[in-house]
Amino acid sequence: DTEVTQTPKHLVMGMTNKKSLKCEQHMGHRAMYWYKQKAKKPPELMFVYSYEKLSINESVPSRFSPECPNSSLLNLHLHALQPEDSALYLCASSQLDRPNTEAFFGQGTRLTVV
Amino acid sequence: AQKITQTQPGMFVQEKEAVTLDCTYDTSDQSYGLFWYKQPSSGEMIFLIYQGSYDEQNATEGRYSLNFQKARKSANLVISASQLGDSAMYFCAMREGSLTGTASKLTFGTGTRLQVML
Repeated sequence: DTEVTQTPKHLVMGMTNKKSLKCEQHMGHRAMYWYKQKAKKPPELMFVYSYEKLSINESVPSRFSPECPNSSLLNLHLHALQPEDSALYLCASSQLDRPNTEAFFGQGTRLTVV
Repeated sequence: AQKITQTQPGMFVQEKEAVTLDCTYDTSDQSYGLFWYKQPSSGEMIFLIYQGSYDEQNATEGRYSLNFQKARKSANLVISASQLGDSAMYFCAMREGSLTGTASKLTFGTGTRLQVML
């Protein structure tokens, strides 16, 4: 089973709203990632969690707040977003006991900020 | 500096023909991994194939093979017997410098859009 599940699939939110994106995997992976992808561009890394601890933050604005409650779950809390934050948000996971291992992605959440 | 370079923004191939998607990379690490992902219009990133820097054999997965030329720092994807369902965006990616206990970045190229024609 190489499944990473993201919810919701689509989200429309206003600039004053607070919402959360959720990601779940049951592959026993101890690394989890958030990527942002604008149209016709490659995914850009936002955050990496290793053993449920934040290990990489790519200077992401504080209106994006990641959380890793346990080894299977990853959340991205959104607050006071801007229209330019509209994008596809991808979650991924990978093993940590093998170096340079592949990451498996979810189907993404298409976020529109109005 | 660009770590992963994909010079073909778009490619066309006839159904049942083979196609090669180009990828070059830049790293000073000895240990790294190279990956190809497929992204259909639905948005999901689908892992296709992996090549480790120490692997002497080129990786193969069904109709996908990776032509790894380490000295030239290239990792081209070959798709044999193209199908209509292969039409998608294809990304080359690299992971380098992975330390035990900490996940490293997976960095993507700009992608190649492949269109398979009847």
